[in-house]
Amino acid sequence: GAGVSQSPSNKVTEKGKDVELRCDPISGHTALYWYRQSLGQGLEFLIYFQGNSAPDKSGLPSDRFSAERTGGSVSTLTIQRTQQEDSAVYLCASSLRTGLIKNIQYFGAGTRLSVL
Amino acid sequence: GQQLNQSPQSMFIQEGEDVSMNCTSSSIFNTWLWYKQDPGEGPVLLIALYKAGELTSNGRLTAQFGITRKDSFLNISASIPSDVGIYFCAGATSGTYKYIFGTGTRLKVLA
Repeated sequence: GAGVSQSPSNKVTEKGKDVELRCDPISGHTALYWYRQSLGQGLEFLIYFQGNSAPDKSGLPSDRFSAERTGGSVSTLTIQRTQQEDSAVYLCASSLRTGLIKNIQYFGAGTRLSVL
Repeated sequence: GQQLNQSPQSMFIQEGEDVSMNCTSSSIFNTWLWYKQDPGEGPVLLIALYKAGELTSNGRLTAQFGITRKDSFLNISASIPSDVGIYFCAGATSGTYKYIFGTGTRLKVLA
C-alpha cells in the first residue's frame, strides 16, 4: 500500500480481555517494527521483524505480549489479559530492510488502546 | 528503555519566531532522524542526517548532525500555526535496525 496501515485506529477493552492489533507495512518493506507510546512519552521499542523472523523481542514488556508476522507482510501484536497500564498508542513502522545505511522507518497512525 | 535527552520538553512561541531544539546522547550515532507527530497521527519523517557536521534543510526546517556525533539540532524558521506538534529525534548506529528515540519537544505556536 501507499503507507503503513494500522487497525483498529481505536480499541477500548475491559481489563483481562485479549486484544489483537494489526499492521500492514508498505509494500516491499521487509523490516517491521512495533513501538508503544504512553501519554506524553516518547517511543518505546517493543519488537522488530526482518521478514517473518523476530530477531529482537527484547522490548516486549511481559509474556502477555506477543507478535507474529506472516508472509513477510502483515503483522499482529497480541496482548493477553490486558491491564490498565497497557493503555497507550501502539505504533507500527516499516523500512525497506535493516542493514542499510539509510534505513528510514515510516510510521502508521497507530492504534490507541484504552483498557478500562 | 534507553532514550535520548531532548530539549526543551515543550515550548510556546509566537507565530513568526524561530525555534531551536536539540538532542543529546551518551552514545555515538551514525544516523540522526527528525520526525514530527501531529495529534492522533504517527510520526512523519522531516529530515535525515548521515554524516557528522552535515547540515540539511527541508523548507523552513534545518537540521545539523553534531561534529561529536552525539548530538543533533533542529531549527524552524518563521514558525506558523501548523508547526504545532511533537518533534522527535532518533539516532542509530550504521546498519542497525534499532533507532533510539528522544522524549520529544512539544511545540505550541501562538498566533
